[in-house]
Amino acid sequence: GAGVSQSPSNKVTEKGKDVELRCDPISGHTALYWYRQRLGQGLEFLIYFQGNSAPDKSGLPSDRFSAERTGGSVSTLTIQRTQQEDSAVYLCASSLRWANYEQYFGPGTRLTVT
Amino acid sequence: SQQGEEDPQALSIQEGENATMNCSYKTSINNLQWYRQNSGRGLVHLILIRSNEREKHSGRLRVTLDTSKKSSSLLITASRAADTASYFCATAMFDGGATNKLIFGTGTLLAVQP
Repeated sequence: GAGVSQSPSNKVTEKGKDVELRCDPISGHTALYWYRQRLGQGLEFLIYFQGNSAPDKSGLPSDRFSAERTGGSVSTLTIQRTQQEDSAVYLCASSLRWANYEQYFGPGTRLTVT
Repeated sequence: SQQGEEDPQALSIQEGENATMNCSYKTSINNLQWYRQNSGRGLVHLILIRSNEREKHSGRLRVTLDTSKKSSSLLITASRAADTASYFCATAMFDGGATNKLIFGTGTLLAVQP
């Protein structure tokens, strides 16, 4: 079946602009996650959704970052007033449930802030 | 700080040799997972080992977990050029649904020379 999809695959934006990144999880997966990966580094956890609610937003780096999930499916990560340090690959993952299940990752969105 | 630390940071071997990567972590976990990443984009789940398991096999992969030492190892036997990638360990922490994030290590870059 279809995997996790993300759009756009690449985004170049000017400093100060807002961006929206989209994630379509695997159908039927109740848990959805956002991570960020800076060049040459590991992944940083941003936020976790169980259904439409976000029990854990602890990884969001600032109040410029927000995310929502509607209908228990698609999620959007929004970054307002982008800064150069926001440049990274943003990865979305989903899992069937929230405990002891592997996470399936999308291909990521490469964000470049100029 | 990140939960997992991989060792070594980089590893270069010849095709047919075995590759061993180690991961250490700091706090109690529910499970530990290994992922592979090619070309800095999407991650592929390799294997999940629960905290009450000590060893797990999948094809040419063997994973061990020592919760007393807070460490895990990934062994790839009879390596192939196609195994060239970055390998990450990730520890899963969940608490009754309140959180379910993966904390990733910094990764091991494996190069398999043909």
